[in-house]
Amino acid sequence: DIQMTQSPPSLSASVGDRVTITCQATQDISNYLNWYQQKPGKAPKLLIYDASNLEIGVPSRFSGRGSGTDFTFTISSLQPEDIATYYCQQSDNLPLTFGGGTKVEIK
Amino acid sequence: EVQLVESGGGLVKPGGSLRLSCAASGFTFSSYTMDWVRQAPGKGLEWVSSISNSSSYIYYADSVKGRFTISRDNAKNSLYLQMNSLRAEDTAVYYCARDRDFWSGVPAGGDYWGQGILVTVSS
Repeated sequence: DIQMTQSPPSLSASVGDRVTITCQATQDISNYLNWYQQKPGKAPKLLIYDASNLEIGVPSRFSGRGSGTDFTFTISSLQPEDIATYYCQQSDNLPLTFGGGTKVEIK
Repeated sequence: EVQLVESGGGLVKPGGSLRLSCAASGFTFSSYTMDWVRQAPGKGLEWVSSISNSSSYIYYADSVKGRFTISRDNAKNSLYLQMNSLRAEDTAVYYCARDRDFWSGVPAGGDYWGQGILVTVSS
């Protein structure tokens, strides 16, 4: 199985800050990488697919990049409504696997 | 508007069975691969199973293989998960998700998710 390692597990930042989360795969997954946002008590929401494609309706302050084994997810200017846990997920191989999540809080 | 509504969760004893349902609306259900994903209390997300649009391709996580069965009824726009021989470690919120895949039969991750349904396995 492909293991996905996310870092950091949590972070605290101020409104307006640039926030970056990394996700590393244990083998080459090309660009088959999704990013999800999950707010407390809610279902995950797809933000980015195929490493860098923004899902329709998702604000442009969210972005993703990377290929192979190393990926980054960035919030260019953190907003209060971005408080959530973010997960990466690889879809190159079955089983689909998720990273452990990054909890983003406001400082 | 895409809507996915899970039902059938609840409390069950270890070794028991439960059948989850997911009612879909707002899209052409018969065109999409569908997924089940679960989340144990306070934990991360775990993919459970996927089924292609025509049920030709079915996939399971090793943790549920042989105990869970995914199925769908395209005439009823419904997805199901039959869960047998339940264990304490199956306790989780179970999400039904429409997969991004609509042609290959290989799951690519969910793009729309239901609100989730809690399954608790405890004596």
